[in-house]
Amino acid sequence: DTAVSQTPKYLVTQMGNDKSIKCEQNLGHDTMYWYKQDSKKFLKIMFSYNNKELIINETVPNRFSPKSPDKAHLNLHINSLELGDSAVYFCASSQGLAGGTDTQYFGPGTRLTVL
Amino acid sequence: QKEVEQDPGPLSVPEGAIVSLNCTYSNSAFQYFMWYRQYSRKGPELLMYTYSSGNKEDGRFTAQVDKSSKYISLFIRDSQPSDSATYLCAMSGNNFNKFYFGSGTKLNVKP
Repeated sequence: DTAVSQTPKYLVTQMGNDKSIKCEQNLGHDTMYWYKQDSKKFLKIMFSYNNKELIINETVPNRFSPKSPDKAHLNLHINSLELGDSAVYFCASSQGLAGGTDTQYFGPGTRLTVL
Repeated sequence: QKEVEQDPGPLSVPEGAIVSLNCTYSNSAFQYFMWYRQYSRKGPELLMYTYSSGNKEDGRFTAQVDKSSKYISLFIRDSQPSDSATYLCAMSGNNFNKFYFGSGTKLNVKP
């Protein structure tokens, strides 16, 4: 069984469109994350939720809005997509908030291409 | 200046070689240091983590942390073609679940 799953795996869309990426974890973890990995493989945290509560919100355009309907799900909605949003988006989860003692488990990634 | 610096490589070595991967960082508050392996078109997976300074060994992998120099290393002994991947270092402080990643070093182990 997949621990952290994301849909869709690939997403190709036009500039200006609105799209969503879904993430689910079946590990019973309390904390979930969204990361963006650019073409140079640089992985940067965007958001983190603990028990459905937003705890990290990095300097991300407000076109990006995470939503956590329950602690097993963290979705990412992106409005008015721009060319610079093209990247691979990874969802991850961890048990708690104990920094490095909590292993993060990553999903397979969603490759977003904005044309 | 980025919080974490990592040479992107690529690093190409013959099978059986000892590989040394390194990261430097600027934030002295970092306490937890991790190495992730990422295969092409896959998500990162945790290889090892260490707390504060010192060494940790797990099979063919050894992680070293030198907090005085703000320098961490991952050594891979007897490297295998299956080790070919991008290796990302990551680190965090005590109070946050916020991880700072290096940009990754691409490793190619040739048979």
